[in-house]
Parts: sequence; structure tokens; C-alpha cells
Amino acid sequence: DAKTTQPTSMDCAEGRAANLPCNHSTISGNEYVYWYRQIHSQGPQYIIHGLKNNETNEMASLIITEDRKSSTLILPHATLRDTAVYYCIVRGPDYQLIWGAGTKLIIKP
Amino acid sequence: EAEVAQSPRYKITEKSQAVAFWCDPISGHATLYWYRQILGQGPELLVQFQDESVVDDSQLPKDRFSAERLKGVDSTLKIQPAELGDSAMYLCASSHSTGNTIYFGEGSWLTVV
Repeated sequence: DAKTTQPTSMDCAEGRAANLPCNHSTISGNEYVYWYRQIHSQGPQYIIHGLKNNETNEMASLIITEDRKSSTLILPHATLRDTAVYYCIVRGPDYQLIWGAGTKLIIKP
Repeated sequence: EAEVAQSPRYKITEKSQAVAFWCDPISGHATLYWYRQILGQGPELLVQFQDESVVDDSQLPKDRFSAERLKGVDSTLKIQPAELGDSAMYLCASSHSTGNTIYFGEGSWLTVV
């Protein structure tokens, strides 16, 4: 079973920051938080991952709370092409990705 | 940017026929994965290779599915005979090694009629 809880869907205005929350209250100390997204009919695209420190790359920022029980993916300036299903995944010591239902993010013009 | 290559992109086959999917991972990636994704659900791991060896095939329906990675580079996933319930997207993914970030291909859509 997925170890994460995400909202089913969210809207965001084009050009604004999209903040996608994820709860992972049972995460263990050695488990990473990964984010992928899937644009309709395409394979999942890796976005970012982290253990306990905040991370930033060219696509997004990942903010992990100090107790590591939740995190937020931030897309700083959302575009229409960011419309996708976003998956938050806790990757355990067996390294498997256990996928939940994800959040359907719709960017509106 | 290097990508995982998959073919065919789309396949329609009749029930009871054989079908095969091919995957070429990112160069240098020792670990290769095959996933199945049913519409509206997240991907489900079918089989994982480390070089040419199967590491995990616990979720692979072995009565009809087979996978091979003979030279530890590209891989083939075969279904024989195909059933209506096999209609899904088949995703290939690779990582430098187990535990590293997993990168996915575009997927192969299978429709069984």
C-alpha cells in the first residue's frame, strides 16, 4: 500500500506558484520522498527527491517538514504544460516505488 | 538528455495472440524495470533486472508473461497468449543501480480486442 496521502485534485492559475502537499506520517528515517509527474498518455517523469533537507532543481523545490511527516512540492511559475498527475512516493529500504493515486493538477489560463 | 527508449508506442492485438515490447535503457544503467499501468492507477512493478539477472519477478504473471535481458542491456517483455485484461500501458524504466533515481520511458500502450 502507498505510504502517502495526497489531495485528489488541485487547480492553479498560470504563472502562479503551484504548491502540492503530501502527507507521509509513517515515514522512516532512511526513507526518501520522491516526486514524479505523469502527463496524459506519457510515462512518468522524475521531478525531485529528498531525505530531510529542502531540495531545489530546475523543475521544482521540495520542502520537507522537520518531523518529515509531510512535504510540499513547489512549481514556482506554473505553465499550462505543468498540467499532469503528480505522485508523491516514499521509497523504502527495498528501493521499490509504491505508487498511490496522485494529485491531478490543472493549470488554468 | 538520455532517455529510455520503448517500442512499439501503440499495439492492438487480438485475444490469444502473442505480443512483445522492447526497451533500451539509458546507457550505463545496470538496473531495468518493467511496470504495468492500468488507466487511472499508478504503475505496478512486474519485473526488475540487475544486469542480465532477474532481481524481482514476484508480480509477473509467469504463466503468460516472460521477460529477458540477455546481454544486460536492452530487454523484451512478452505476453502469450494475450487476454483482454492485459490492456494497459507497459512502462520500461532504468536506473544506474538499485537505489538510484528511476527514469521512465514513454510507455507502450496495449489494447487487446
